Parts: sequence; C-alpha cells; structure tokens
Amino acid sequence: NAGVTQTPKFRVLKTGQSMTLLCAQDMNHEYMYWYRQDPGMGLRLIHYSVGEGTTAKGEVPDGYNVSRLKKQNFLLGLESAAPSQTSVYFCASSPTGGYQPQHFGDGTRLSIL
Amino acid sequence: AQRVTQPEKLLSVFKGAPVELKCNYSYSGSPELFWYVQYSRQRLQLLLRHISRESIKGFTADLNKGETSFHLKKPFAQEEDSAMYYCAPHQGAQKLVFGQGTRLTINP
Repeated sequence: NAGVTQTPKFRVLKTGQSMTLLCAQDMNHEYMYWYRQDPGMGLRLIHYSVGEGTTAKGEVPDGYNVSRLKKQNFLLGLESAAPSQTSVYFCASSPTGGYQPQHFGDGTRLSIL
Repeated sequence: AQRVTQPEKLLSVFKGAPVELKCNYSYSGSPELFWYVQYSRQRLQLLLRHISRESIKGFTADLNKGETSFHLKKPFAQEEDSAMYYCAPHQGAQKLVFGQGTRLTINP
C-alpha cells in the first residue's frame, strides 16, 4: 500500500496563478488534513475534512480552498498564488479524529515567484 | 487557546550522551500526546504516543500533567537519531497543534 500520496512533489508558480495539490490515501481513513510547514513555525493546519463531502477551516485557511468529493482524495487549491504561500505542504490522514495518529505524505514544495 | 512550546529549535549532543527534547503544552481538557519525527528525506512519521506507554528506538516520553509537559528522552544518543522532532497534542480535528519542532543533531 502507498499510504498517503501527494502530487506534484515540486512546483514553481508565478504570482496570481492558480493550482491544485492532490492528496490520495488508500487506507480508508475518514479524516484528512492539509498543513503547511515553514521554517521556525512547525506545521500549521490549513483545512481538514472529517469525511467525504465535508471540509472545515484550520488555523491558516486564508487564500486556500479544499474539496473532498471522494473519500480517498483531498484537494487543496490556490486560486491566486501569492509569495507568502511559498512553503512545503503536507497532507495527512487518520482513521478517525484527533486521538488517532496521523499518516503523512512526502510533501509538496511550492515556490511562488 | 491551545499552545505547544518546544523551547529548543536546535539541539546538538554527542553520540552516547543522553538526550532530552522538551515539550510544554497548554490545553483545555485531556489531549492525547504524540511525538512525530522527520528523518532527512523521509516523510513525517509517528515516533510514539503517550497512551501506548512504549519505548520506540530507545525513546520514551513522560507525561507530567502538573507541569503540562511531555518531554522526549533517550539515555544514549545514536547518530541515526539526527532528525526533526515535533511534539503534538491532539484533541479532536479542530484542536490539532504541532510544536515548532526541534532539530536534533548527534555528533560523532
């Protein structure tokens, strides 16, 4: 099993461009999460989903949108990329809520010029 | 508000020396406490969780509810322990907070 798979692994965008990051998990987990990792700030939760068709805001949701149309997929969208969104993005999943450990993808390194 | 503090951003010790990575948290209720580790060029992964009371790769973590701390310890550091370590109390999907992380370097 692949676990949690993120695509793409790297991407460079120009300010104002849009893109979608894809996260796929094959563990039949209910909960999925998107984080960003910045130097000195650890992991910060952007959005999360507690099941197919649901999404909710995390700590730093501004500038991002998400969708969970299928249980196994969680998409993170940037409608109009800004340099402040340059970061490493991690997707994670867990069987149920916060008392369960999370399984992480390899990350997507995104640079906005 | 939920808060997690890992006071050391960088920690460097010699091989064979004891290691302690500090974690202090401020949470309402009773969160479940985890330590995650990220080795070079690998994905973030669970190291250990408090409820399991287990030792993983020689690491243990003691929960001190009075001090609200969950420090990670290992009596004898090994070079392969060099990594980024994150403390993470979890309490429901809306209360997920990771510490800023401590980069541990083990010198030969």
